[in-house]
Amino acid sequence: NAGVMQNPRHLVRRRGQEARLRCSPMKGHSHVYWYRQLPEEGLKFMVYLQKENIIDESGMPKERFSAEFPKEGPSILRIQQVVRGDSAAYFCASSPRARATKQETQYFGPGTRLLVL
Amino acid sequence: GQNIDQPTEMTATEGAIVQINCTYQTSGFNGLFWYQQHAGEAPTFLSYNVLDGLEEKGRFSSFLSRSKGYSYLLLKELQMKDSASYLCAVRDQTGANNLFFGTGTRLTVIP
Repeated sequence: NAGVMQNPRHLVRRRGQEARLRCSPMKGHSHVYWYRQLPEEGLKFMVYLQKENIIDESGMPKERFSAEFPKEGPSILRIQQVVRGDSAAYFCASSPRARATKQETQYFGPGTRLLVL
Repeated sequence: GQNIDQPTEMTATEGAIVQINCTYQTSGFNGLFWYQQHAGEAPTFLSYNVLDGLEEKGRFSSFLSRSKGYSYLLLKELQMKDSASYLCAVRDQTGANNLFFGTGTRLTVIP
């Protein structure tokens, strides 16, 4: 059973460009979470999605950031007009259901490391 | 708000036992998770506590006291490969299943 897949693993963008980060959840998982990890800081929740629905985006910056999880295909985290402060590792996690029990915890992908020049 | 505290760094000797503490103050509580994260890699799930007490899994054990807002991760028979960051995360009770993470404890195992 393949784990959570993220691509690209590394992404370099110049200020003002767009960054698109992709996440394919584990097979059988329908819930996706995006987290951001700044250097020397903890993981910070950004957004929680189910297929075609945003459940909680309380951690998303109000501007330039958006996320989707379409019926078909991976979840996409999109950052428009990137700035240097967006440089971070972006992790995606998935779970089969929202109410995680011991068997339904969040499993993380390898992350996308975004560098904004 | 959510506040999760854990020591920034710890050092321990190969073969020894180490305890990594985590205290939390959150608006709700629906479980506490420990993850291991090697540098440049994804966090990997170690343990989950939702009731008070000790959960044991091989060389790793995790303890929870909800009344004290306190948890610890115990690692026994330390190996060099255990050098990593250990992340404490609390799930809130608002139904969204979000995890709130501490900054992590960077453990260095020395020979």
